[in-house]
Amino acid sequence: DSGVTQTPKHLITATGQRVTLRCSPRSGDLSVYWYQQSLDQGLQFLIQYYNGEERAKGNILERFSAQQFPDLHSELNLSSLELGDSALYFCASSVGLAHNEQFFGPGTRLTVL
Amino acid sequence: GQQLNQSPQSMFIQEGEDVSMNCTSSSIFNTWLWYKQDPGEGPVLLIALYKAGELTSNGRLTAQFGITRKDSFLNISASIPSDVGIYFCAGLASGGGADGLTFGKGTHLIIQP
Repeated sequence: DSGVTQTPKHLITATGQRVTLRCSPRSGDLSVYWYQQSLDQGLQFLIQYYNGEERAKGNILERFSAQQFPDLHSELNLSSLELGDSALYFCASSVGLAHNEQFFGPGTRLTVL
Repeated sequence: GQQLNQSPQSMFIQEGEDVSMNCTSSSIFNTWLWYKQDPGEGPVLLIALYKAGELTSNGRLTAQFGITRKDSFLNISASIPSDVGIYFCAGLASGGGADGLTFGKGTHLIIQP
């Protein structure tokens, strides 16, 4: 158990819908990262938040957004969903800003029908 | 963005054999991480490397940060059934973490009894 929690574990929805994925980092970690894992693209970095502020952006679509709240939990919002958005979404956390030792949650499996 | 070439893509070995896998990049990285992912779970951090030439062990696992800063290796000695899974390398490029961690495509390790 990494100490990072994610909900829900599974999510099934329809094209065009919007969903919110939730992540709670390890106790004491200030950075939260979101990744997408698909069979063809592998693990792709989406976005990082540090202590409530966005600090780095990767291959995140404009339809996707995230935020980190004062209690340090984070939410990833995915809107206007397409079939190709079906994937595993992982949250990771680390103590500091520097992206080094990141600890991953169990993931949310999103299926868009 | 950066790309990591991880090889081999899969390995079929006998229990008790040693395993070697590697990652190469066209860019310089200043941090290398190795993760293991079991089906339906998030990646688990195995080893972190921070200096060129560094050799670090974690039980039967040994990883090295290549002296060119463009590659890393992971060795597993005397493999056992619980070593089965997907092993990922991940790197953080020089110049800061604006792109987050870059992951290889993974090495599938399958152990035949």
